[in-house]
Order: sequence, then C-alpha cells, then structure tokens
Amino acid sequence: DTEVTQTPKHLVMGMTNKKSLKCEQHMGHRAMYWYKQKAKKPPEVMFVYSYEKLSINESVPSRFSPECPNSSLLNLHLHALQPEDSALYLCASSLQTGGSPLHFGNGTRLTVT
Amino acid sequence: QQQVKQSPQSLIVQKGGISIINCAYENTAFDYFPWYQQFPGKGPALLIAIRPDVSEKKEGRFTISFNKSAKQFSLHIMDSQPGDSATYFCAAVPMSGGSNYKLTFGKGTLLTVNP
Repeated sequence: DTEVTQTPKHLVMGMTNKKSLKCEQHMGHRAMYWYKQKAKKPPEVMFVYSYEKLSINESVPSRFSPECPNSSLLNLHLHALQPEDSALYLCASSLQTGGSPLHFGNGTRLTVT
Repeated sequence: QQQVKQSPQSLIVQKGGISIINCAYENTAFDYFPWYQQFPGKGPALLIAIRPDVSEKKEGRFTISFNKSAKQFSLHIMDSQPGDSATYFCAAVPMSGGSNYKLTFGKGTLLTVNP
C-alpha cells in the first residue's frame, strides 16, 4: 500500500459545488505535489509545496486552490469546475524538491457533471 | 514539445518473455531517469531509476540500460509475468538543478503479458 493517503477515492460533483481533496503523508517529506492525470496520459504537475510554502503553480485555473496546513497534509479545494476537469488527481511527496524520488498516492477519481 | 519520447505505445508479450520499452530524451540537463509502473486505479509507483554515471542498473527482473551519448535509455523486464501487466512511464529530471518536481514523463507504454 502507498504511504501517501488520498481521500476520497472517488468524487462526483456538479459545476456549482465546492469540494476538497485531501492528502496525507507521514514519511517526513517536506515537498508535496498535486498532479492531474487524464486517461491514457502521463501525470501533469499542478502545484508544488516546499516546506509548506507554495513554490510552483503551473498556470492552474483559480477554480483549483491548494492549501498546505502542515508538513503532513495537503488539500486541493475545488469550486466551479468544468466537465473537462474530470480526471485522476494525484498527490505526491518527496523528501525535498531536489534530489529525491516522488511517492504517489492512489489518487482521487473526480467526475464533474 | 515532448522532451521524453517513449515507445512502443503498447506491447504484448507472452509469459516468460522479455519486455523492452525505450525512451529518448533531448535535454542534456537531465541527470536522473526513473521508471514508474502504474496499475489501473492506482497511482504511479517508482520501479527503478538510474543516473547517467552508470550504463546499467538491475533490480530483480528489471534492468535499465542507459546510453548517454545516444541520449537513450530502456527498461527490460525479464521473465515477464501476467502480474507485470500495467502502464509504464519513463521520466527524466535535472536533479542537480534542484527542480525535482519537473519530472518530465514519457507518454507511457501499456504492457500486456499473456499467460
């Protein structure tokens, strides 16, 4: 089992809903990431946190809002999503942003109706 | 612009056979090359990785071969098993630059191992 835990595993939401995805790791990693993966495509990075500070935002629309409450937790707040935002959202962590491999969670399968 | 080209897109191998997946990169700043294995409904899992100071790395049935001059690397799965059926992504990253997050993935290879 992965050491990066994501909840919920599945989420269906309407375009007017507000929901949040949660991610937790207890490996002492100081870098955490959100990735988006469409079917039969590789993951694409959305946000990177280093020592609880947002260091990278890969031009993600404002309807996605990340939050890092502490070094073990990472949230992704969703609001006014579009059907094309339906995808697998993956959380990952690494010891630091440089020089260490990424550990992925099993993702949240999001469907926007 | 695709910086890591992966082939084939799909691969069917008989049980016990050798599976070979190839990747080529363009950015000479890349100096860490991981392979990820992803099963349906799961996140990618790090399988094996190599740095360009070695030409080959073996872990059990999995071997990475690396050709720095050709800017190519490949994954060999020996004695392939049905349980190896998954999507495999090669990736590359400039580790020395500290931008570990800039993991550039190949497009993936769907491997099917028939019993």
